[in-house]
Amino acid sequence: QVQLVQSGAEVKKPGASVKVSCKASGYTFTSYYMHWVRQAPGQGLEWMGIINPSGGSTSYAQKFQGRVTMTRDTSTSTVYMELSSLRSEDTAVYYCARGDLCSSTNCYAHYWGQGTLVTVSS
Amino acid sequence: EIVLTQSPGTLSLSPGERATLSCRANQSVSSSYLAWYQQKPGQAPRLLIYGASSRATGIPDRFSGSGSGTDFTLTISRLEPEDFAVYYCQQYGNSPHTFGQGTKLEIK
Repeated sequence: QVQLVQSGAEVKKPGASVKVSCKASGYTFTSYYMHWVRQAPGQGLEWMGIINPSGGSTSYAQKFQGRVTMTRDTSTSTVYMELSSLRSEDTAVYYCARGDLCSSTNCYAHYWGQGTLVTVSS
Repeated sequence: EIVLTQSPGTLSLSPGERATLSCRANQSVSSSYLAWYQQKPGQAPRLLIYGASSRATGIPDRFSGSGSGTDFTLTISRLEPEDFAVYYCQQYGNSPHTFGQGTKLEIK
């Protein structure tokens, strides 16, 4: 069965960077895109971007351009999301989610990781 | 970017009733690339509907999606106790793949 297992909670200071991992299993890793979505406490969902694990190409939401980097390691079936220059507003649960039925980067998020809480506080 | 507006913000209904949730876009959603998700407290979202009207694997047939262009609807024909949650629509045809702000479905 498809499983996405994310790394544990992080506490970071403003200005620092955080790198969240998402290890996939139960399917061919390079055959499906991976989204990253975040959710601030008590708020809605916010799409951050998407990565194609096959070639490593990415597409980021304009809001995060220059601050976010999505990468993958095909040897371990893991994708990573690194967010830099953290500020308090980046405190959120970060989710990875497998993209299905993709036409280019146009795909819905089918299977989701459990989420990783990132807290930014001085 | 495409802005999705969901209504109502909160919907109070009883088990057994019919729920109708709306998602309106400020411009046409490409190829009906519209999905609906359910989220319960402390859990990751769960895909319900993709392509505006296709049910995801394992989703009960009381959930149905409809619409095209700028107006989309999620209907739950007969509410079960486990259906009370927050529902989000998302368009994935244009970057960024924006979400609506959510509709909270609560027990009346």
